[in-house]
Amino acid sequence: AQSVAQPEDQVNVAEGNPLTVKCTYSVSGNPYLFWYVQYPNRGLQFLLKYITGDNLVKGSYGFEAEFNKSQTSFHLKKPSALVSDSALYFCALLDSNYQLIWGAGTKLIIKP
Amino acid sequence: GAVVSQHPSRVICKSGTSVKIECRSLDFQATTMFWYRQFPKQSLMLMATSNEGSKATYEQGVEKDKFLINHASLTLSTLTVTSAHPEDSSFYICSANSLAGPQETQYFGPGTRLLVL
Repeated sequence: AQSVAQPEDQVNVAEGNPLTVKCTYSVSGNPYLFWYVQYPNRGLQFLLKYITGDNLVKGSYGFEAEFNKSQTSFHLKKPSALVSDSALYFCALLDSNYQLIWGAGTKLIIKP
Repeated sequence: GAVVSQHPSRVICKSGTSVKIECRSLDFQATTMFWYRQFPKQSLMLMATSNEGSKATYEQGVEKDKFLINHASLTLSTLTVTSAHPEDSSFYICSANSLAGPQETQYFGPGTRLLVL
């Protein structure tokens, strides 16, 4: 069965430090993977996606994600966190019907 | 980039009334629109998949007679919560696939917050 797991409910990072939000997946075949961000009281915003090609994908707001096939992971990263990065982050996997399978979300808190 | 709008952004209604939420793709034609529901601090739950001109496909556990979906054109889908009750209070989000763009990318609306008193 296809699934997405975000093992951390919350991640706390000091401003200026690197951040990582973890995501692992399970799929038969090639994965299509996404990261979305949801700021308070707002809808989801697309950050980046992996379809094929380079394992390191660069996205919006300075975020990037590394696709690791052997570890079935697609962790979201940023070299230097900003307080404004505080939000809810969702990892998602596209199934064969083009519907997204969502992770539970990780709350990212960046402290000044 | 592709923009999806939702109207209204917030709605408060009395128990027993019906509420209609619109989802529009502003600068592209959407082959498929999706309706999600998000409970506080929880992940999105797909409610239904809507294709223009055909009946929506509902996920298991979602009452199709309660959550009416109409996809009348390639740029508009509506979700009507009929006889709303307090437990229907939630954040409803739609998304759309572009007819011209990569099918794997969904564009999300800003969401509609529904509060049923």
